[in-house]
Amino acid sequence: GAGVSQSPSNKVTEKGKDVELRCDPISGHTALYWYRQSLGQGLEFLIYFQGNSAPDKSGLPSDRFSAERTGGSVSTLTIQRTQQEDSAVYLCASSSTRQGSGYTFGSGTRLTVV
Amino acid sequence: QKEVEQNSGPLSVPEGAIASLNCTYSDRGSQSFFWYRQYSGKSPELIMSIYSNGDKEDGRFTAQLNKASQYVSLLIRDSQPSDSATYLCAVSAGTDDMRFGAGTRLTVKP
Repeated sequence: GAGVSQSPSNKVTEKGKDVELRCDPISGHTALYWYRQSLGQGLEFLIYFQGNSAPDKSGLPSDRFSAERTGGSVSTLTIQRTQQEDSAVYLCASSSTRQGSGYTFGSGTRLTVV
Repeated sequence: QKEVEQNSGPLSVPEGAIASLNCTYSDRGSQSFFWYRQYSGKSPELIMSIYSNGDKEDGRFTAQLNKASQYVSLLIRDSQPSDSATYLCAVSAGTDDMRFGAGTRLTVKP
């Protein structure tokens, strides 16, 4: 696609429920990144994919968080048993493999856990 | 020590003035440097990239890089209220290892 597409744009869920966030990167971008941004805070790195593999999962805050990417394209970030501290904007970005290329971010999913 | 450091601000400048945003980084192997702009409630967008020491100009924006001092800056000339946003500095040593600063909030007052 022309840009990075994320869905849903907003999600309100009850504490303890599972949620799935989706990211569709720019066509041809092999690298995909998930970040989290709490209100007024900076970007918190969660996980990075190169193709379908995830060389760097170091940022996932707990084992309730998981992510997968299939077909080298769409990625889903799953949060199990959501907690109120999971409330944040979840941003996806993609980039080409050309060294020095910047990231293109999606518009984000605003997750609110009530 | 944070890998990429920026003053959180807020930085306030009057309309028409030059806004100067600064960033330092710790990894001497860094090769690529970026500035992103993030409006409130929006996602970051790439506005400048720089790879070599010196200045790079794009319209009202100038990025400056000094690898010896591990310092990168962004100058915004003739600042406009529409430039009010948070500016994120990002640094990369390879292809997939970008590190972001926490951002500097800029306010341009009419």
